Amino acid sequence: NAGVMQNPRHLVRRRGQEARLRCSPMKGHSHVYWYRQLPEEGLKFMVYLQKENIIDESGMPKERFSAEFPKEGPSILRIQQVVRGDSAAYFCASSAGQGRIQETQYFGPGTRLLVL
Amino acid sequence: GESVGLHLPTLSVQEGDNSIINCAYSNSASDYFIWYKQESGKGPQFIIDIRSNMDKRQGQRVTVLLNKTVKHLSLQIAATQPGDSAVYFCAENNAGGTSYGKLTFGQGTILTVHP
Repeated sequence: NAGVMQNPRHLVRRRGQEARLRCSPMKGHSHVYWYRQLPEEGLKFMVYLQKENIIDESGMPKERFSAEFPKEGPSILRIQQVVRGDSAAYFCASSAGQGRIQETQYFGPGTRLLVL
Repeated sequence: GESVGLHLPTLSVQEGDNSIINCAYSNSASDYFIWYKQESGKGPQFIIDIRSNMDKRQGQRVTVLLNKTVKHLSLQIAATQPGDSAVYFCAENNAGGTSYGKLTFGQGTILTVHP
């Protein structure tokens, strides 16, 4: 009964490179959420996706960031032309998507991105 | 604007004592609240949740209290153990809003349990 899986766990990129973060939801879950956490802070919502649909991207920066959750495969959070300010822990969560609005979100272990 | 915040950033207790972690929220439309525990280097772990039609909910060694009048949330941990040492976050959700999948997190309280 695997939980939410994220990879890589640690990612180092130089300024200007691209970062790709992957998230596989819990088995049977069809909703995925991405959050960012800066040191000593709480998590900040970025985007909410269902299979092949972006439901809410109100927390995503307007440029360089994109997310997808294809019909097959993991959800991908992509950051183009990374800058040092992108260094943070990125967490993915998933929920069952049974039609209830208030569903428990279960979090993965996160990807720690360091931009040099 | 909406915000969820914590009164006490750090809390130190002795093993066996009861712990109380507090959280204030400003959005009166919030109707779902969750407590998460985050250990160093790990993702947030669900502890307990409560909906706005309730004022108390109990789990194993934990109790969440909701006071909608003063927009206050608390997490009580009974017989605190060293393994409870972690950062605790409250989070809120507004199911009636358009961003019903979005959790808004507080800054966190560091709980340290001394043996």
